[in-house]
Amino acid sequence: EADIYQTPRYLVIGTGKKITLECSQTMGHDKMYWYQQDPGMELHLIHYSYGVNSTEKGDLSSESTVSRIRTEHFPLTLESARPSHTSQYLCASSEAVEQFFGPGTRLTVL
Amino acid sequence: AQTVTQSQPEMSVQEAETVTLSCTYDTSESDYYLFWYKQPPSRQMILVIRQEAYKQQNATENRFSVNFQKAAKSFSLKISDSQLGDAAMYFCAYRSMYSGGGADGLTFGKGTHLIIQP
Repeated sequence: EADIYQTPRYLVIGTGKKITLECSQTMGHDKMYWYQQDPGMELHLIHYSYGVNSTEKGDLSSESTVSRIRTEHFPLTLESARPSHTSQYLCASSEAVEQFFGPGTRLTVL
Repeated sequence: AQTVTQSQPEMSVQEAETVTLSCTYDTSESDYYLFWYKQPPSRQMILVIRQEAYKQQNATENRFSVNFQKAAKSFSLKISDSQLGDAAMYFCAYRSMYSGGGADGLTFGKGTHLIIQP
């Protein structure tokens, strides 16, 4: 079944650790996005990609980085996690207008 | 830059009743899309309904319908015959009709928590 997956769903980690949040989609979509959602707040676009080897920063400044080596895979990396990175991170993909979302990763940095 | 405002942090409705969630937005563009997304607790966000700004007719999907007022920049969601499964966070979102440069990223409101009373 075509879908979009994110792992891990929950992550609690100490300050200074390097983390990678995984996002994969099996729909063959060229466009992929990362959104950050703080509790009780709106989602903000932090990264997007229009295809392999294409990555750009979104509206909200983020210390994270992304890569797009394969169409189906769009991981997000934090080189050194800090408590200010505590948030929910949602991945999405799109072929045309509608964006399809993954279940999200809830990250807590202690 | 576009902004989306949802002024109702929480709404409550009796099962089988009708509820309307409000959304206003601000943009200088004339062509765009508007969406309502539903995010159940600990589950994926899913699209409920979408509206193209160039269409005058309000979108309808089964029990869900919108009241799109382009001049007023208002986009409310009406849920008829509310069911327990409708309980969720509802987000209003805006997307430019243009692509490129991240323009097709979604701009979200803060969401409305909908509670269904049995």
